[in-house]
Amino acid sequence: DGGITQSPKYLFRKEGQNVTLSCEQNLNHDAMYWYRQDPGQGLRLIYYSQIVNDFQKGDIAEGYSVSREKKESFPLTVTSAQKNPTAFYLCASIQGRGYGYTFGSGTRLTVV
Amino acid sequence: DQQVKQNSPSLSVQEGRISILNCDYTNSMFDYFLWYKKYPAEGPTFLISISSIKDKNEDGRFTVFLNKSAKHLSLHIVPSQPGDSAVYFCAASVHGGGKRGADGLTFGKGTHLIIQP
Repeated sequence: DGGITQSPKYLFRKEGQNVTLSCEQNLNHDAMYWYRQDPGQGLRLIYYSQIVNDFQKGDIAEGYSVSREKKESFPLTVTSAQKNPTAFYLCASIQGRGYGYTFGSGTRLTVV
Repeated sequence: DQQVKQNSPSLSVQEGRISILNCDYTNSMFDYFLWYKKYPAEGPTFLISISSIKDKNEDGRFTVFLNKSAKHLSLHIVPSQPGDSAVYFCAASVHGGGKRGADGLTFGKGTHLIIQP
């Protein structure tokens, strides 16, 4: 079955560490997105990529970095510069306007 | 500046009755609207969408209404069932994508729908 796989489902990070969240899709979608969900905040866009080797900052990109070396993969690195990284992170891809996003199942990141 | 607003953080409805979830938007460039449903610790799933050239779209128990002059859309669920209890997000996009790239979505903060037995 085609879909988006996010791993790990739960991730714990110590203060000052960088961590990388994985997002892989086998849907052959060109565009991929990273969102962050906080209680009462809805979904906020971190980064997006419309094509391999290209990506753009979203609304809350500070403290995050991404890469898009392959069409199938769009990993997100949460750096130590991100002051409040504890959140639920969602990766999505899109086939086209008439279809909406397909989301992964999310990664819960907690700073300990 | 919140361009997509869901002003009710939560809504409680009896099983079997109609659930109406509302969404307002401020960006007149939005021309495509979607509703997503989300359970805790899972990714959102696509429910239904509507293009700005229409004022209604129906899919089974779900109907979305769009009032462009009021910049308002609503999702009706009839009849409401226990499995409908979830957070519902309204989302919108601009043709050509604007700042979010082609097809990128702007989300509201969500409404938590609780279906009571």
